[in-house]
Amino acid sequence: EAQVTQNPRYLITVTGKKLTVTCSQNMNHEYMSWYRQDPGLGLRQIYYSMNVEVTDKGDVPEGYKVSRKEKRNFPLILESPSPNQTSLYFCASSSRTGTGPYEQYFGPGTRLTVT
Amino acid sequence: RKEVEQDPGPFNVPEGATVAFNCTYSNSASQSFFWYRQDCRKEPKLLMSVYSSGNEDGRFTAQLNRASQYISLLIRDSKLSDSATYLCVVNDSSASKIIFGSGTRLSIRP
Repeated sequence: EAQVTQNPRYLITVTGKKLTVTCSQNMNHEYMSWYRQDPGLGLRQIYYSMNVEVTDKGDVPEGYKVSRKEKRNFPLILESPSPNQTSLYFCASSSRTGTGPYEQYFGPGTRLTVT
Repeated sequence: RKEVEQDPGPFNVPEGATVAFNCTYSNSASQSFFWYRQDCRKEPKLLMSVYSSGNEDGRFTAQLNRASQYISLLIRDSKLSDSATYLCVVNDSSASKIIFGSGTRLSIRP
């Protein structure tokens, strides 16, 4: 089954404790992206990756890191989480072959609480 | 000004009604446009892409007006199952940066 998986689905942590949210897709997609969703603000793009070893900042990259060492995986790293990073996080992937438009497939989301 | 703006709603309409949403975008170089649907606490899922000539998929019709920089979604004969948040999505000219509107909540009542 074609899918995007994220782990963990729920996480409660404390300020400053490094964490990683994993994202994996089995569709051989070139493009992957991370979003956070907050009430009234919609989904905002954190980082995206056009392919292996190619990453770029979205609209709200501060406080986050990503890496793309393999095509299928795109982990999101919070080196020192703070309470303002409490949010619902989505990973998404998309093919970039052909002329588009390019549908995005989303993971189920990770609800993060930083106390 | 937000790059992509939507009326947040909520729209509360009876079953069978026709409802329309608009979405405006600020970047005239935007290339691709979409409507996604998001159910409560779930991930967004593609409803339909929006083409320059307009397109229809069953009860759903999407239109793009590049001159006025807006896209619209029309839902005819609404069903209870259409209750969700509808997200307008715009890709920039390189199709790498993706901007979501904050969503329009729709609630269909029996």
